[in-house]
Amino acid sequence: EAQVTQNPRYLITVTGKKLTVTCSQNMNHEYMSWYRQDPGLGLRQIYYSMNVEVTDKGDVPEGYKVSRKEKRNFPLILESPSPNQTSLYFCASGRDRNSYEQYFGPGTRLTVT
Amino acid sequence: GEDVEQSLFLSVREGDSSVINCTYTDSSSTYLYWYKQEPGAGLQLLTYIFSNMDMKQDQRLTVLLNKKDKHLSLRIADTQTGDSAIYFCAERDSGGYQKVTFGTGTKLQVIP
Repeated sequence: EAQVTQNPRYLITVTGKKLTVTCSQNMNHEYMSWYRQDPGLGLRQIYYSMNVEVTDKGDVPEGYKVSRKEKRNFPLILESPSPNQTSLYFCASGRDRNSYEQYFGPGTRLTVT
Repeated sequence: GEDVEQSLFLSVREGDSSVINCTYTDSSSTYLYWYKQEPGAGLQLLTYIFSNMDMKQDQRLTVLLNKKDKHLSLRIADTQTGDSAIYFCAERDSGGYQKVTFGTGTKLQVIP
């Protein structure tokens, strides 16, 4: 089944404790992206990747890192999480830069206390 | 930067039509999208329209695009309780790297 998976789905952590949210797609997509969803603000793009070893900042990259060492994986790293990073995070992938559709993962709800 | 705006909430009775509206600022948009998010789930592409089209119909869904006013709407005919969800409008610019800007989402509540 073609899908985007994220782990964990739920995470509660404390300020300053490094964490990684994994994202994997099995569709051989070139494009991958991370968004955060906050009430009243919709989805905002954190980082995106056009292909392996090619990443770029989205609209709200501060406090986040990403890497794209393999085509299927695009982990989101919070080196020192803070409470303002409490949010619902979505990973998405698209076939390539010309594809019109993005496929979304199920989301990761992160709470930083 | 680009901005996409939607009203936050819409309530309709089952069987009525729902109209969800969206305005955007980017005049170079190539695609405009409607995504649906059901509770506890990710976003699913519902429908999309090319910027050179005025209207697109797909079963119960009708998308209208007024490019002059930068206004997009989604009409759901014969709204069902299963249509209750958050609907996101989104636009993609002409840059080609899939920079997609999402609206705030409209929560549709269908009253039985």
